[in-house]
Order: sequence, then structure tokens, then C-alpha cells
Amino acid sequence: NAGVTQTPKFRVLKTGQSMTLLCAQDMNHEYMYWYRQDPGMGLRLIHYSVGEGTTAKGEVPDGYNVSRLKKQNFLLGLESAAPSQTSVYFCASHDAGSGANVLTFGAGSRLTVL
Amino acid sequence: EDQVTQSPEALRLQEGESSSLNCSYTVSGLRGLFWYRQDPGKGPEFLFTLYSAGEEKEKERLKATLTKKESFLHITAPKPEDSATYLCAVQGATNAGKSTFGDGTTLTVKP
Repeated sequence: NAGVTQTPKFRVLKTGQSMTLLCAQDMNHEYMYWYRQDPGMGLRLIHYSVGEGTTAKGEVPDGYNVSRLKKQNFLLGLESAAPSQTSVYFCASHDAGSGANVLTFGAGSRLTVL
Repeated sequence: EDQVTQSPEALRLQEGESSSLNCSYTVSGLRGLFWYRQDPGKGPEFLFTLYSAGEEKEKERLKATLTKKESFLHITAPKPEDSATYLCAVQGATNAGKSTFGDGTTLTVKP
């Protein structure tokens, strides 16, 4: 049981380049999230999805796009990378439910933009 | 808007020296308060969920408690392997189930 898998684990980009981070979960979870984590700061929500074919903006969505074409995958795209997007990105998921939902996280993707 | 503030930012303890981490929160209709542990270079891992004031949960050397305004993570007789960053998060009824995280407390336990 792999849980949440993120690829790639590390990436270096030049300013203006584009890239896509892939998140895959094998738990049949409805909800998926992309967070970024900067030194000394908590997790800030970029975008999220409440089910296949849906996406919504989080706290810091500017400069990012997402897609959820398949239930198990959630893609995070950077169309024109900027140094301010240097960060560690975490994907998380949880099942649908009316109560409090525990997040399962991936191991993170460390992105450096030069 | 849901808010979470954790203190202290960093805590250094000697092995066996008990202490507490604080998580103050404001949320509209608390669905749950969560504690996660994050090791360097890894994603956060779930520790506890607390749902209502007065609730307590324990796991090994950790005990989490909850009041209407804050939560404490008590660490009793810590060991070096307890060194990690501890994150607190809340889910509110008006925020569509999304989690709001604090900045975390980085705990270092020296042998």
C-alpha cells in the first residue's frame, strides 16, 4: 500500500520554465490537496479538489494550475516558474466524510527556481 | 477565517525533561483539531484528532489535550527519537473541511 506518491522528489528550474508535479494516491480518496511549505512556516494551501474533474483555489493559488482528470491523480503545474516558487510541495488526500478528516501526505517535492 | 498559532517556535530539551507545546486557535465551528509529526525531509504524519473541549488522547510519551481556545501536546520523559517538528491544524465547519495549519514547533531532544 503506497499511500500518496509524489514525483519528482527534486527539481531545479530556471526562471520562466514550466513543469508539472504529479501526485498519485491508491486509497480511493475523494479529496486531494496541494500545499507548499517554506522554512519556518506551516503548510499553505495552493489548490484542492473534492473529486474527479473538480478543482478549487486555496490560500496561495497565484502562479499555479491544477487538474484532476482521474480520481487517483492530482497534478500541479507551474506555467512560468519564479524564484518565489522555490519551496517544498506536499500533496495530501483524505476520504469524503462529514466529520474531521485526517490527511495522508506524500513525502514532498523540493523545487528550486534559479 | 480560521487561525492557528503555535508556540514556542523551537524547543530544546534534555532527554527525560518533560514539557508542553501550545497550539492556540480560532475557528468557526470546530470539526477537529489535529496534531501531526514531521521528520526532516518527510511529509507530516498523523498523531491525534481532538473533537471537543476536555478531550485527551495519549500515545506513548505524548498526550494531547483540548480547551475551547487551545490545545497542548505534552511530552513526558522525551527521548532523542521524539525530535521532530510538530504541526497543529484545525478544520472548521465553515471552511469546507479544509485544514488550516500552524507554523509548527521544532523539538530537539538531546541525549
